[in-house]
Amino acid sequence: AQSVSQHNHHVILSEAASLELGCNYSYGGTVNLFWYVQYPGQHLQLLLKYFSGDPLVKGIKGFEAEFIKSKFSFNLRKPSVQWSDTAEYFCAVNPGGYQKVTFGTGTKLQVIP
Amino acid sequence: NAGVTQTPKFQVLKTGQSMTLQCAQDMNHEYMSWYRQDPGMGLRLIHYSVGAGITDQGEVPNGYNVSRSTTEDFPLRLLSAAPSQTSVYFCASSYSRGKGSEAFFGQGTRLTVV
Repeated sequence: AQSVSQHNHHVILSEAASLELGCNYSYGGTVNLFWYVQYPGQHLQLLLKYFSGDPLVKGIKGFEAEFIKSKFSFNLRKPSVQWSDTAEYFCAVNPGGYQKVTFGTGTKLQVIP
Repeated sequence: NAGVTQTPKFQVLKTGQSMTLQCAQDMNHEYMSWYRQDPGMGLRLIHYSVGAGITDQGEVPNGYNVSRSTTEDFPLRLLSAAPSQTSVYFCASSYSRGKGSEAFFGQGTRLTVV
C-alpha cells in the first residue's frame, strides 16, 4: 500500500521567510500528487496538484511544488510567507489515477508577524 | 453550487449510541469517501464508494457502515459509538475518471463520544 511521509510536523516562521515543506511517498508507479491546506476550523482546500507534464507546479496564493520522480518527493515551497498562511498543510497521493487518496500526517505552519 | 454538505457540524454521543452522519454532494461526482482526522495522524480513509451501489472499506472501517443508494448521498453510520471514535469526520467527493481530479471536502463533523 502506498504511504506518504511529511517530515516536518510543526514549522514556525517569521513573515517574509521562505518556506519548504517536505513530502515523500512510497509507490513505484504513476501517481497523482496533491497539496491541501486546512485553515483553522475549516475544511481542506486544494492548493495545487500534479498529474503529468511540467514537474514544477504552481498553485494558488503563490505556492508551488516540484515533483522529483527519482526521489519520490513533492515538496511545497513559497518564497515569502504571510501571517495568513498559518494553517495545516497536507500532502496526498493518488496512485495511477484511481481515487483512493492517501494523506500524510500534516505539517502545522505558524507564521509570526 | 453547495458543493459537499455535511450534517451535523457538531455531535455529542454517549457510548453505545448509534447515529448517522449525513453527506450530500451536488456536483454529480461518482467517487465519495469518508475520512477521520485525528491529531498527528492526518486523514485516514474509513470507507469509499466509486458509484451508486458500490462501497468498499478503507484503512479504518471497523465500527462504521456506509451505503450509497444515490449518486448524491453517502451517509456514514456509527453502529455503537465508542470513545475511540471521537474525531473530526470529513466527507469528500470527486470525479472517478480522469487524472488529477481533486477532492472537494465538506465542512466536517466534530464528534465527541462520552
